[in-house]
Amino acid sequence: DIVMTQSPDSLAVSLGERATINCKSSQSVLSRSNNKNYLAWFQQKPGQPPKLLIYWASTRESGVPDRFSGSGSGTDFTLTISSLQAEDVAVYYCQQYYSTPPLTFGQGTRLEIK
Amino acid sequence: QVQLQQWGAGLLKPSETLSLTCAAYDGSFSGYYGSWIRQPPGKGLEWIGEINHRGGTDYTPSLKRRVTISLDTSKNQLSLKLSSVTAADTAVYYCARGQIDARLQHWGQGTLVTVSS
Repeated sequence: DIVMTQSPDSLAVSLGERATINCKSSQSVLSRSNNKNYLAWFQQKPGQPPKLLIYWASTRESGVPDRFSGSGSGTDFTLTISSLQAEDVAVYYCQQYYSTPPLTFGQGTRLEIK
Repeated sequence: QVQLQQWGAGLLKPSETLSLTCAAYDGSFSGYYGSWIRQPPGKGLEWIGEINHRGGTDYTPSLKRRVTISLDTSKNQLSLKLSSVTAADTAVYYCARGQIDARLQHWGQGTLVTVSS
């Protein structure tokens, strides 16, 4: 199984500041055949299901604000929120879909307002 | 906009079979990936398994002997059955639909299943 490890476990950022969450996979999730990274990011607010933010490591899902961006390749990935808004308080998960079964998630990063 | 509505029994006794159903309104499961994911209270996400766009299934190894995911194409409904449940299976269970590029694109609202004697 590919193990996904996120850092940090929790993060407090001031409103309007940048938030950065890291995700590392135990094996590469980059496909040589199509040069795509099989990596997604999700946002989960309390009492709600997760919401897809980013897929293919850097493609923003329709309707997701452009302050959210994903980057990285191979085994190291980053989710960046360029200017934190109050509504961004949530737990964020990375997830690989390169080697299945199983699809695997990171342990989650809790983002709060400083 | 795809909406997934899920339902099923919320309280089970140990050794019983968990059974959940998920319907896709304003959409379809045919030709898509249909997945189940669970989240124990206060913990992270665990993928249970999926049925792919060709009708094949994959399951997480730790649950493989107890889980069945199926698709009723006539009703556009995705189903999950998990046998011989224990307290460790207590969780919020989610269904999801997606495509090859985003396997978990749309999610159901979640169903809390509690296993207790």
